[in-house]
Amino acid sequence: DVKVTQSSRYLVKRTGEKVFLECVQDMDHENMFWYRQDPGLGLRLIYFSYDVKMKEKGDIPEGYSVSREKKERFSLILESASTNQTSMYLCASNQQGANIQYFGAGTRLSVL
Amino acid sequence: GEDVEQSLFLSVREGDSSVINCTYTDSSSTYLYWYKQEPGAGLQLLTYIFSNMDMKQDQRLTVLLNKKDKHLSLRIADTQTGDSAIYFCAESWGYGNKLVFGAGTILRVKS
Repeated sequence: DVKVTQSSRYLVKRTGEKVFLECVQDMDHENMFWYRQDPGLGLRLIYFSYDVKMKEKGDIPEGYSVSREKKERFSLILESASTNQTSMYLCASNQQGANIQYFGAGTRLSVL
Repeated sequence: GEDVEQSLFLSVREGDSSVINCTYTDSSSTYLYWYKQEPGAGLQLLTYIFSNMDMKQDQRLTVLLNKKDKHLSLRIADTQTGDSAIYFCAESWGYGNKLVFGAGTILRVKS
């Protein structure tokens, strides 16, 4: 079974803190994605990566950055967390050319 | 840009059929998907349909695709309380099969 693991289920941070959300997949997938999920808005793509050290902006990259130093790990970074970044964050991965994305369980981030 | 729309809420009685509808804008989408999210969980792929198909059936699930109207629907037969969840419609586009999601339909099943 494909496994996409997000390191934290719940996080509480303060405004201005630097926040790291970690995601690891165990299926040697080339592509990895970060989404945020907000009620009434569905999932919106923040960043994605199709190879190590490669990254592409999604629809809402402002206030975020990413890091992909190893194929299995994709990190989402909030350089200076703000209250409007309180949300559920979902990581996903797929094999290049495959049509199915596999999702992690999500990290619910609260910024106070 | 790409856009996917779906109704936000559906309430049905246990044993009835549920139909969740979705419209999308990108006619070049190769695949269209239905994902399910249970409370506190990530997204689970329910089913998907290739864009050259009209219908796909998988046990209690039936997906209908009308390419002309860019309309996708998910029918759940004999809906159970365990089907209560948020259902997301999504279309794929571009390199890497990026997904564009609808806002999600909350399905509530009353016993």
